Amino acid sequence: EVQLLESGGGLVQPGGSLRLSCAASGFTFSTYAMSWVRQAPGKGLEWVSTISGSGGTTYSADSVKGRFTISRDNSKNTLYLQMSSLRAEDTAIYYCAKTFNRKADYWGQGTLVTVSS
Amino acid sequence: DIQMTQSPSSVSASVGDRVTITCRASQDINSWLAWYQQKPGKAPKLLIYAASSLQSGVPSRFSGSGSGTDFTLTISSLQPEDFATYYCQQANIFPITFGQGTRLEIK
Repeated sequence: EVQLLESGGGLVQPGGSLRLSCAASGFTFSTYAMSWVRQAPGKGLEWVSTISGSGGTTYSADSVKGRFTISRDNSKNTLYLQMSSLRAEDTAIYYCAKTFNRKADYWGQGTLVTVSS
Repeated sequence: DIQMTQSPSSVSASVGDRVTITCRASQDINSWLAWYQQKPGKAPKLLIYAASSLQSGVPSRFSGSGSGTDFTLTISSLQPEDFATYYCQQANIFPITFGQGTRLEIK
């Protein structure tokens, strides 16, 4: 059974940093791309970033480019999102998702990031 | 970026009704379209991929069609558990983009 468990969310001040983690199990982690997708309170889904199975290729939304970095540790079956220079508009639930052919076939339960002073 | 536009934004229907949701892409995405269902407080769930392929475990009352720029998600006979928000997503090129969502409510 595929399981994705996000952690690392919380309250952070504007301009601050936070690192999210997503622990994966139930599939061969290194074989699949992984993504982060976020959802602001009461809003729709916004794709954030995707990383290839090897970690050698990444894609990010313009809204986070230069501030967020996606990475993975295949030895630990873990996906990361390093977030810096956080803004109020980054407040959202952040989901990690197993990604195949650019579709998210399994999702974690999400972790809430709140950016506020 | 490819813009995805869903219609309607919300729809009210009754159990047993047939419902169709439309998604339009701002440029040709072939069949690179997925549909997701999201219930309040829960993560999205993949329903349809490649425009018309049913994800494993999804009931057959859900179906998808279309190619190019125009796509539809149809629920043939609404069940109580289908009341949720539905999103389309283009998977043709990065950046990946979602529609704004369609809220399906009980009449």
